[in-house]
Amino acid sequence: DQQVKQNSPSLSVQEGRISILNCDYTNSMFDYFLWYKKYPAEGPTFLISISSIKDKNEDGRFTVFLNKSAKHLSLHIVPSQPGDSAVYFCAANSGNTPLVFGKGTRLSVIA
Amino acid sequence: NAGVMQNPRHLVRRRGQEARLRCSPMKGHSHVYWYRQLPEEGLKFMVYLQKENIIDESGMPKERFSAEFPKEGPSILRIQQVVRGDSAAYFCASSPLGFSQNTEAFFGQGTRLTVV
Repeated sequence: DQQVKQNSPSLSVQEGRISILNCDYTNSMFDYFLWYKKYPAEGPTFLISISSIKDKNEDGRFTVFLNKSAKHLSLHIVPSQPGDSAVYFCAANSGNTPLVFGKGTRLSVIA
Repeated sequence: NAGVMQNPRHLVRRRGQEARLRCSPMKGHSHVYWYRQLPEEGLKFMVYLQKENIIDESGMPKERFSAEFPKEGPSILRIQQVVRGDSAAYFCASSPLGFSQNTEAFFGQGTRLTVV
């Protein structure tokens, strides 16, 4: 039972263009959403989060959009840089439940 | 300001042996979480601990796995009588507040367990 789904296992984008990573969730109780970035042989690093009371949160080149009615969120990276190449995990939780992670999307930014 | 420290980074065990994975949370963090990542999978929650207490162990296998977070010292994830299916990356995370406070968790670099 996959409560958080990242349906694209991989994505390739040219340097300087926009990267859009998508995430869908099934649990309507989720009220906090996060994106983590992971390089090989390292632990996930927190990137950006959004509460369900908002529909957008921006931090530099990274913006997360939340569409509660569609149970969908997305991470936009613009402009994309080669150093952004990594696996991106979407995560969500509600109340005092543990973070539930998607399977990740591998982003490759091509110079 | 050291991050979450996990050791060892790599651990090889023969089937039937015990594996002990250690995690020292970030300074000031009293909430620790263990996750497991199987190849090509996301991170699966295992257990959530505070000092001397297990808060949520809903993701822990019922047998062979145990976790503790003593008053002094690191959190330990213990796997007894390991089997090949236990081979995975085990990540520890910590946070200053619990899940109920909508706060992010900070992850360590993980321990890669290989059972041969």
